[in-house]
Amino acid sequence: EPEVTQTPSHQVTQMGQEVILRCVPISNHLYFYWYRQILGQKVEFLVSFYNNEISEKSEIFDDQFSVERPDGSNFTLKIRSTKLEDSAMYFCASTQDRVYGYTFGSGTRLTVV
Amino acid sequence: TQLLEQSPQFLSIQEGENLTVYCNSSSVFSSLQWYRQEPGEGPVLLVTVVTGGEVKKLKRLTFQFGDARKDSSLHITAAQPGDTGLYLCAGANAGNNRKLIWGLGTSLAVNP
Repeated sequence: EPEVTQTPSHQVTQMGQEVILRCVPISNHLYFYWYRQILGQKVEFLVSFYNNEISEKSEIFDDQFSVERPDGSNFTLKIRSTKLEDSAMYFCASTQDRVYGYTFGSGTRLTVV
Repeated sequence: TQLLEQSPQFLSIQEGENLTVYCNSSSVFSSLQWYRQEPGEGPVLLVTVVTGGEVKKLKRLTFQFGDARKDSSLHITAAQPGDTGLYLCAGANAGNNRKLIWGLGTSLAVNP
């Protein structure tokens, strides 16, 4: 069963530091997403990415966030200057056709101290 | 703003009992997906329903999409301890990006 792989599984960083969360989507998938889940809250959409560009982003995805697909396999989420409220589980997801469901990675637990 | 409300939020039952989890919205979705999430893991897709009135079965799990594509239900027959977990519904919007709108989840505990 193909998997979406996320690294690292845990990241602790100091407030104001930059973090890069990495994802390797399933190889033949075309649509890529980042979601986050703050403890005890709903999963929230951050950004969708298709054809090497952002196709939609949420209000959460401000100028401190960016995404890249630098080499055709990796899909990264960068937070330039982390805030305490960025602490959450960050999930990468990919899909081939957007209709029949998404495959999620196991997530990166980001803790900002 | 599209919202999905799941009920109940918590459910504790005995092995062998039946249960139904509900996912409701005032908005129409192009499809609705059910996921199961274990602690510290990402959501795992169980099923996607696309057509209003659609019913899908996955062993002891039955999923139904409302006729108006605003609501869905998950019914588990003869629950087993292995069914314990967090069940999430997520609606895909009709836009090109099909971003998912999520419910808060139903935490199910099946006691032996």
